[in-house]
Amino acid sequence: AQRVTQPEKLLSVFKGAPVELKCNYSYSGSPELFWYVQYSRQRLQLLLRHISRESIKGFTADLNKGETSFHLKKPFAQEEDSAMYYCALKEGAQKLVFGQGTRLTINP
Amino acid sequence: NAGVTQTPKFRILKIGQSMTLQCTQDMNHNYMYWYRQDPGMGLKLIYYSVGAGITDKGEVPNGYNVSRSTTEDFPLRLELAAPSQTSVYFCASSPGTGETDTQYFGPGTRLTVL
Repeated sequence: AQRVTQPEKLLSVFKGAPVELKCNYSYSGSPELFWYVQYSRQRLQLLLRHISRESIKGFTADLNKGETSFHLKKPFAQEEDSAMYYCALKEGAQKLVFGQGTRLTINP
Repeated sequence: NAGVTQTPKFRILKIGQSMTLQCTQDMNHNYMYWYRQDPGMGLKLIYYSVGAGITDKGEVPNGYNVSRSTTEDFPLRLELAAPSQTSVYFCASSPGTGETDTQYFGPGTRLTVL
Protein backbone atom coordinates (compact mmCIF):
# COMPACT_ATOMS: atom_id res chain seq x y z
CA ALA A 1 0.00 0.00 0.00
CA GLN A 2 1.12 3.49 -0.73
CA ARG A 3 2.26 5.43 2.30
CA VAL A 4 3.45 8.92 3.06
CA THR A 5 5.51 9.61 6.16
CA GLN A 6 6.27 12.99 7.66
CA PRO A 7 8.54 12.18 10.59
CA GLU A 8 8.27 15.56 12.32
CA LYS A 9 4.93 16.57 13.82
CA LEU A 10 6.39 19.87 14.99
CA LEU A 11 9.22 21.97 13.58
CA SER A 12 10.35 25.30 14.95
CA VAL A 13 12.97 27.54 13.35
CA PHE A 14 14.02 31.15 13.63
CA LYS A 15 13.18 33.76 11.03
CA GLY A 16 15.87 33.84 8.37
CA ALA A 17 17.04 30.30 9.04
CA PRO A 18 16.74 27.52 6.44
CA VAL A 19 13.72 25.23 6.62
CA GLU A 20 13.41 21.59 5.57
CA LEU A 21 10.21 19.63 6.05
CA LYS A 22 10.76 15.95 5.48
CA CYS A 23 8.52 13.63 3.48
CA ASN A 24 9.16 10.00 2.59
CA TYR A 25 6.88 7.81 0.52
CA SER A 26 6.41 4.22 -0.53
CA TYR A 27 5.02 3.64 -4.01
CA SER A 28 5.59 0.93 -6.58
CA GLY A 29 5.26 3.05 -9.73
CA SER A 30 6.20 6.58 -10.79
CA PRO A 31 5.00 8.80 -7.97
CA GLU A 32 3.24 12.12 -8.27
CA LEU A 33 3.78 14.14 -5.13
CA PHE A 34 2.39 17.35 -3.74
CA TRP A 35 2.78 19.68 -0.81
CA TYR A 36 -0.40 21.20 0.63
CA VAL A 37 -0.42 23.95 3.25
CA GLN A 38 -2.98 25.21 5.74
CA TYR A 39 -2.38 28.66 7.19
CA SER A 40 -4.18 29.67 10.35
CA ARG A 41 -7.91 30.09 9.73
CA GLN A 42 -7.54 29.30 6.05
CA ARG A 43 -8.38 26.30 3.93
CA LEU A 44 -6.01 23.59 2.96
CA GLN A 45 -4.48 24.59 -0.37
CA LEU A 46 -1.93 23.34 -2.84
CA LEU A 47 1.56 24.74 -2.33
CA LEU A 48 3.44 22.94 -5.07
CA ARG A 49 3.62 19.73 -7.10
CA HIS A 50 6.79 17.96 -8.12
CA ILE A 51 5.99 17.67 -11.83
CA SER A 52 5.84 21.45 -12.15
CA ARG A 53 9.35 21.89 -10.74
CA GLU A 54 8.30 25.30 -9.53
CA SER A 55 9.19 27.52 -6.61
CA ILE A 56 6.22 28.87 -4.70
CA LYS A 57 6.67 31.46 -1.94
CA GLY A 58 10.37 30.58 -1.96
CA PHE A 59 9.70 26.89 -1.34
CA THR A 60 11.06 24.11 -3.52
CA ALA A 61 10.78 20.34 -3.33
CA ASP A 62 12.85 17.80 -5.22
CA LEU A 63 11.75 14.27 -5.83
CA ASN A 64 14.51 11.82 -4.92
CA LYS A 65 13.46 8.42 -6.18
CA GLY A 66 16.53 6.71 -4.76
CA GLU A 67 15.72 7.86 -1.24
CA THR A 68 11.94 7.90 -1.87
CA SER A 69 11.80 11.42 -0.51
CA PHE A 70 10.13 14.70 -1.40
CA HIS A 71 11.45 17.15 1.17
CA LEU A 72 10.21 20.76 1.17
CA LYS A 73 12.88 23.41 1.50
CA LYS A 74 13.20 27.15 1.86
CA PRO A 75 16.53 28.90 2.33
CA PHE A 76 15.30 31.76 4.52
CA ALA A 77 12.19 31.27 6.65
CA GLN A 78 9.67 34.07 7.09
CA GLU A 79 7.13 34.47 9.87
CA GLU A 80 4.26 34.09 7.40
CA ASP A 81 5.49 30.57 6.62
CA SER A 82 4.09 29.37 9.94
CA ALA A 83 1.43 26.82 9.01
CA MET A 84 0.54 23.15 8.83
CA TYR A 85 2.21 21.38 5.90
CA TYR A 86 1.04 18.10 4.37
CA CYS A 87 2.87 15.94 1.89
CA ALA A 88 0.56 13.96 -0.42
CA LEU A 89 0.95 11.18 -2.97
CA LYS A 90 -1.43 10.72 -5.89
CA GLU A 91 -3.00 7.29 -6.00
CA GLY A 92 -5.19 5.99 -8.77
CA ALA A 93 -8.09 8.10 -9.99
CA GLN A 94 -6.99 11.45 -8.64
CA LYS A 95 -7.00 10.22 -5.04
CA LEU A 96 -4.47 11.59 -2.60
CA VAL A 97 -2.76 9.84 0.30
CA PHE A 98 -1.70 12.38 2.91
CA GLY A 99 1.06 12.31 5.46
CA GLN A 100 0.35 13.18 9.08
CA GLY A 101 1.43 16.77 8.62
CA THR A 102 4.12 18.97 10.12
CA ARG A 103 3.31 22.10 12.06
CA LEU A 104 5.95 24.68 11.19
CA THR A 105 6.49 27.60 13.55
CA ILE A 106 8.77 30.46 12.59
CA ASN A 107 10.08 32.32 15.61
CA PRO A 108 10.87 36.04 15.30
CA ASN B 1 -16.92 31.88 -7.09
CA ALA B 2 -17.49 30.54 -3.61
CA GLY B 3 -15.41 27.44 -4.39
CA VAL B 4 -16.20 24.54 -2.07
CA THR B 5 -18.70 25.23 0.68
CA GLN B 6 -19.55 22.97 3.60
CA THR B 7 -22.37 23.10 6.12
CA PRO B 8 -22.58 23.01 9.07
CA LYS B 9 -19.31 24.33 10.47
CA PHE B 10 -19.80 22.64 13.82
CA ARG B 11 -22.13 19.95 15.10
CA ILE B 12 -22.54 17.90 18.25
CA LEU B 13 -24.37 14.59 17.90
CA LYS B 14 -25.51 12.02 20.39
CA ILE B 15 -24.57 8.39 19.87
CA GLY B 16 -26.97 6.77 17.42
CA GLN B 17 -28.16 10.00 15.82
CA SER B 18 -27.86 10.58 12.11
CA MET B 19 -26.93 13.60 10.08
CA THR B 20 -25.87 14.75 6.66
CA LEU B 21 -22.84 16.91 6.01
CA GLN B 22 -23.42 19.09 2.99
CA CYS B 23 -20.81 19.92 0.35
CA THR B 24 -21.29 22.07 -2.73
CA GLN B 25 -18.85 23.30 -5.36
CA ASP B 26 -19.45 25.89 -8.05
CA MET B 27 -16.39 25.18 -10.21
CA ASN B 28 -18.00 22.48 -12.36
CA HIS B 29 -15.45 19.97 -11.15
CA ASN B 30 -15.96 16.31 -11.99
CA TYR B 31 -14.18 14.88 -8.96
CA MET B 32 -15.31 15.32 -5.39
CA TYR B 33 -13.94 13.84 -2.15
CA TRP B 34 -14.69 13.46 1.52
CA TYR B 35 -11.85 13.24 4.03
CA ARG B 36 -11.73 12.99 7.77
CA GLN B 37 -8.92 14.32 9.92
CA ASP B 38 -8.42 12.99 13.42
CA PRO B 39 -6.23 14.89 15.90
CA GLY B 40 -2.54 14.55 15.07
CA MET B 41 -3.30 12.53 11.96
CA GLY B 42 -3.34 13.23 8.28
CA LEU B 43 -6.42 13.32 6.12
CA LYS B 44 -7.98 9.97 5.31
CA LEU B 45 -10.25 9.49 2.31
CA ILE B 46 -13.78 8.34 3.14
CA TYR B 47 -15.50 8.38 -0.25
CA TYR B 48 -14.96 9.98 -3.61
CA SER B 49 -16.86 10.58 -6.82
CA VAL B 50 -15.63 10.92 -10.39
CA GLY B 51 -18.90 12.37 -11.66
CA ALA B 52 -22.63 12.59 -11.09
CA GLY B 53 -24.06 9.18 -10.31
CA ILE B 54 -20.65 7.57 -9.61
CA THR B 55 -19.20 7.08 -6.15
CA ASP B 56 -16.57 4.80 -4.68
CA LYS B 57 -15.10 3.91 -1.32
CA GLY B 58 -11.92 5.38 0.01
CA GLU B 59 -9.73 4.18 2.85
CA VAL B 60 -12.23 4.56 5.73
CA PRO B 61 -15.83 4.24 4.39
CA ASN B 62 -17.42 2.28 7.23
CA GLY B 63 -20.26 4.14 8.92
CA TYR B 64 -20.76 6.59 6.06
CA ASN B 65 -22.75 6.85 2.87
CA VAL B 66 -22.63 9.28 -0.03
CA SER B 67 -24.58 10.18 -3.12
CA ARG B 68 -23.82 12.34 -6.15
CA SER B 69 -27.01 13.26 -7.96
CA THR B 70 -25.59 16.49 -9.39
CA THR B 71 -22.16 17.75 -10.36
CA GLU B 72 -22.33 20.42 -7.66
CA ASP B 73 -23.39 18.46 -4.57
CA PHE B 74 -21.74 15.60 -2.68
CA PRO B 75 -23.43 15.03 0.71
CA LEU B 76 -21.97 12.70 3.33
CA ARG B 77 -24.42 10.76 5.48
CA LEU B 78 -23.76 9.37 8.96
CA GLU B 79 -26.53 6.92 9.84
CA LEU B 80 -25.70 5.84 13.41
CA ALA B 81 -23.19 8.23 14.89
CA ALA B 82 -20.46 6.73 17.05
CA PRO B 83 -17.77 8.41 19.19
CA SER B 84 -15.16 7.11 16.75
CA GLN B 85 -16.64 9.44 14.14
CA THR B 86 -15.64 12.51 16.12
CA SER B 87 -13.39 14.29 13.66
CA VAL B 88 -13.01 17.21 11.29
CA TYR B 89 -14.51 16.47 7.90
CA PHE B 90 -13.21 18.08 4.72
CA CYS B 91 -14.84 18.08 1.34
CA ALA B 92 -12.72 18.72 -1.76
CA SER B 93 -13.19 18.92 -5.50
CA SER B 94 -10.89 18.65 -8.50
CA PRO B 95 -11.15 19.08 -12.26
CA GLY B 96 -9.52 15.66 -12.36
CA THR B 97 -7.19 15.71 -15.30
CA GLY B 98 -3.48 16.22 -15.83
CA GLU B 99 -1.97 19.45 -14.63
CA THR B 100 -5.37 20.59 -13.41
CA ASP B 101 -5.65 17.88 -10.79
CA THR B 102 -5.31 20.24 -7.86
CA GLN B 103 -7.79 19.50 -5.11
CA TYR B 104 -9.70 22.48 -3.72
CA PHE B 105 -10.83 22.12 -0.15
CA GLY B 106 -13.78 23.37 1.82
CA PRO B 107 -13.41 24.96 5.27
CA GLY B 108 -14.28 21.77 7.14
CA THR B 109 -17.00 20.58 9.52
CA ARG B 110 -16.04 19.82 13.10
CA LEU B 111 -18.19 16.96 14.39
CA THR B 112 -18.33 15.73 17.95
CA VAL B 113 -20.23 12.58 18.90
CA LEU B 114 -21.03 12.21 22.60
